[in-house]
Amino acid sequence: AQSVTQLDSQVPVFEEAPVELRCNYSSSVSVYLFWYVQYPNQGLQLLLKYLSGSTLVKGINGFEAEFNKSQTSFHLRKPSVHISDTAEYFCAVSPSGRGGGNKLTFGTGTQLKVEL
Amino acid sequence: DAGITQSPRHKVTETGTPVTLRCHQTENHRYMYWYRQDPGHGLRLIHYSYGVKDTDKGEVSDGYSVSRSKTEDFLLTLESATSSQTSVYFCAISLGGAHNEQFFGPGTRLTVL
Repeated sequence: AQSVTQLDSQVPVFEEAPVELRCNYSSSVSVYLFWYVQYPNQGLQLLLKYLSGSTLVKGINGFEAEFNKSQTSFHLRKPSVHISDTAEYFCAVSPSGRGGGNKLTFGTGTQLKVEL
Repeated sequence: DAGITQSPRHKVTETGTPVTLRCHQTENHRYMYWYRQDPGHGLRLIHYSYGVKDTDKGEVSDGYSVSRSKTEDFLLTLESATSSQTSVYFCAISLGGAHNEQFFGPGTRLTVL
C-alpha cells in the first residue's frame, strides 16, 4: 500500500515570491507521482507527473517538482507566484507497472493562498 | 476538458433514501473511478472499474455500490444514504498503461440530511 503526506495544510505567500509545497510518500514498490491543482468549486487538474527519467519535472503554469527517491519526496516549486495560483494542491502516488489499476492515493492537500 | 460529465451536480436528500450518481465520458477510456472529497482527508477512492462489468473496491467502499454496463457510464449508488456520506463526489477516467494520469469530472455535491 502507498501513503502520501502533505505536511503543510496551508501556505500563505506574497505575490511574486517563491513557494515550495512539500510532499512525502511511502511505498514498498516503485511509484508514479503526480501533482494536481483544484481551483474553488472545480475538479482536479493535472499539474505535472513523474513516471521515469529525469527527476526534475516541469509542468503547467510555471510549476516544477523534483523526485528524490532517497528522501521519498516530490516537492512542488514555483519561483514566482501569482494571485491566480491561489488554489488547493494535491500530491498523489500510484504503483508503477501493470495490474495496479492506476489507482491513486492522495495526500490531504495544501491550500496555497497568494496575497498582494 | 476531458469529456467527463457528472449528474446531478448538486443533490440534497434525506437519510435512508437511495441515491445514484452518474458519470459519463466521451473519451472511451478503459478505467473509471469514483472518489469522495472531505476536508482533512483529501480524495479517497470508493470504487473503480477497469472495463465493462469489471469493478473493484477502493479504500472507502462500505455503503456504496457501482455498476458499469457501458464503457461510457459509471454509476455510483448509495443504497441507503447516511449523513456521513455528505461529501463532494468526483469521477475520474484514465487510459491506463503508460498514460497513467487521471482526468477528473466537475464533481457532485451531495448533502444527506
